[in-house]
Amino acid sequence: EAGVVQSPRYKIIEKKQPVAFWCNPISGHNTLYWYLQNLGQGPELLIRYENEEAVDDSQLPKDRFSAERLKGVDSTLKIQPAELGDSAVYLCASSLVGEQYFGPGTRLTVT
Amino acid sequence: AQSVTQLDSQVPVFEEAPVELRCNYSSSVSVYLFWYVQYPNQGLQLLLKYLSGSTLVKGINGFEAEFNKSQTSFHLRKPSVHISDTAEYFCAVSAAGYSSASKIIFGSGTRLSIRP
Repeated sequence: EAGVVQSPRYKIIEKKQPVAFWCNPISGHNTLYWYLQNLGQGPELLIRYENEEAVDDSQLPKDRFSAERLKGVDSTLKIQPAELGDSAVYLCASSLVGEQYFGPGTRLTVT
Repeated sequence: AQSVTQLDSQVPVFEEAPVELRCNYSSSVSVYLFWYVQYPNQGLQLLLKYLSGSTLVKGINGFEAEFNKSQTSFHLRKPSVHISDTAEYFCAVSAAGYSSASKIIFGSGTRLSIRP
């Protein structure tokens, strides 16, 4: 069974540029999560989807971050414009019942 | 709301020695507890989880953890570590219940480094 797929694995951009991350969850998993992980810290939830509905986006900075999960499968997280403080690892996870399965993450560096 | 505290940011241990990684949580309701491991440049992998029942939980790679409700702790242990156990370990908590389990709060992590 394929795991959670994320791309790109690494991204370097200049500040004020836009960036997008893509996540393909495990087949059949209806819940999808995006997490932010700063260096030396645990993951922090940005947004959670149940199928195509965002059921918890309270921690998503909506002035610059947006996410979508069309058709309730793949998801895209976008930052526009990026700031220096956005440098971090962005993790995607999916679950069916309870246990969350994580992708390898996208490491974003904003210069 | 729930919170979790990992008491040690780094734990150096010699190979084949035992190790304990400490975790305390706070919650006003019943909880589920988790330990995840993160190897360099990889995502998180579930080591073990406590949902209910026996307070001693066994996980993968020889790890186990004990849920102590009175001390609000969920410490992770391994009797003999290997070089391959070098990684970051995260304790996590959620409110009990299916929908609540979807919201997991992670600790700040403990970096386990194994010395030969």
